[in-house]
Amino acid sequence: AQRVTQPEKLLSVFKGAPVELKCNYSYSGSPELFWYVQYSRQRLQLLLRHISRESIKGFTADLNKGETSFHLKKPFAQEEDSAMYYCALKTGGGNKLTFGTGTQLKVEL
Amino acid sequence: GAVVSQHPSRVICKSGTSVKIECRSLDFQATTMFWYRQFPKQSLMLMATSNEGSKATYEQGVEKDKFLINHASLTLSTLTVTSAHPEDSSFYICSTGQGGYEQFFGPGTRLTVL
Repeated sequence: AQRVTQPEKLLSVFKGAPVELKCNYSYSGSPELFWYVQYSRQRLQLLLRHISRESIKGFTADLNKGETSFHLKKPFAQEEDSAMYYCALKTGGGNKLTFGTGTQLKVEL
Repeated sequence: GAVVSQHPSRVICKSGTSVKIECRSLDFQATTMFWYRQFPKQSLMLMATSNEGSKATYEQGVEKDKFLINHASLTLSTLTVTSAHPEDSSFYICSTGQGGYEQFFGPGTRLTVL
């Protein structure tokens, strides 16, 4: 069965410090992975997907099939990055998603 | 991106009553919608996939008679929690899978069963 693991419930960093939010997955098929973000009092929204290989708001994530990981990184954290981040794995047909438990990122001044 | 609304945003009901939650796609036609449940400080758990004009597909362990889903039009899917009990108290979120890979989420509905 598919599974997404985010080992850290809370990650606290200082402004300007590098950020890495960890995500590991378990899936027998060809994975398609996403990072979704939820800012305070806002709805969940897509941050980035591995296929596009984009940098969004300074964040990047590389799919490592050997390590079955899709860690989210940013070289210099900003205060506005404080939010809840969810790693998600697309499985089956359609757009069905399996979510990790989420990591609360707190960027301190 | 697509806009998804939910109504109500918050509902409190007595144990044993039924509660209906609406999910609307405001600017496009959604043949598929997803319903999630989120417990405090936990992940989103997919409950079911709502299909316009046909029966919903429920995830393993989700009681279809408990959580009734109706997707009668291309812009509206409803989730009815029947005979609600305190353990059904949760945050219910819908999303649509239209428009390719991205899912667009509603703001969620907080259900509290007394």
